[in-house]
Amino acid sequence: QSALTQPASVSGSPGQSITISCTGTSSDVGGYHYVSWYQLNPGKAPKLRIYDISKRPSGVSSRFSGSRSGNTASLTISGLQAEDEADYFCSSYTSSSTWVFGGGTKVTVL
Amino acid sequence: QLHLQESGPGLVEPSETLSLTCTVSDGSISSSSYSWGWVRRPPGKGLEWIGSLHYSGSTIYSPSLSSRVIISVDMSKSQLSLKMTSVTATDTAVYYCARRMEWLQFFDYWGQGILVTVSS
Repeated sequence: QSALTQPASVSGSPGQSITISCTGTSSDVGGYHYVSWYQLNPGKAPKLRIYDISKRPSGVSSRFSGSRSGNTASLTISGLQAEDEADYFCSSYTSSSTWVFGGGTKVTVL
Repeated sequence: QLHLQESGPGLVEPSETLSLTCTVSDGSISSSSYSWGWVRRPPGKGLEWIGSLHYSGSTIYSPSLSSRVIISVDMSKSQLSLKMTSVTATDTAVYYCARRMEWLQFFDYWGQGILVTVSS
C-alpha cells in the first residue's frame, strides 16, 4: 500500500485560509468515507482534527474542515492562527482492511 | 482523560529485536469497544501504520512489516507491546501507540511517541 500524497509544505498569513490535499486511489481515499486528519507538534501526541472525511471531533475548532473529491481529500484551515503551525497527516482505511497515511505537510504561519 | 505512554530502549543495535510498551492509563485496554495500534514516523518522513490488535486478540499487520512484527497485550498491566525483529537503520523512527474505537476507522487517542534509533 503506497503512502498517500501530500504537499510537503503549505504556508499562509494569520487570518488566511489554507488547504492541504491528500491524494490516494480508489482502494483507499476514493473508496471509503474513512479519511482522517491529524496534527503533529514536536514531542507531543498527535491530535485528531477531522474524521470520516469531514466530521470534527468534539472540541476541535470549526476553523478545521474536510472534504473529498474523487481520490483526493482536503483539509482546510480557515482564519489561520499561529497555534496552527504544525505537521498535518491524512489517513485512510483501505481495501486491505489496513490503514495508510500521507507523507505529511508542514504548515507555516507567516 | 485517557493517557497513552510509550516506553522502551531508545537505542537498539542492528539485527536485534526492538521491544516497546504502551501503558494505557484508564483501563480501557480491557474493553471490547477498542482496538490498539502502533504507528511510526522515520526522521523526515511520513507516518507509517505498523499494525493493530483487537480486544479478541486478533491482529493485523502492515504487509511490509508482518514478517518481523508482533503486537500483543497484557490486560493485567494495561499494556500494549510491540516487538520488531531483525531491525536495521531504516527502522529508526518515533514510534506511537494509538487507540481506535472498534466500529470507527480513525485513531482518537495517541501517545506522545518514543524515538528509537537503530545503530551500533
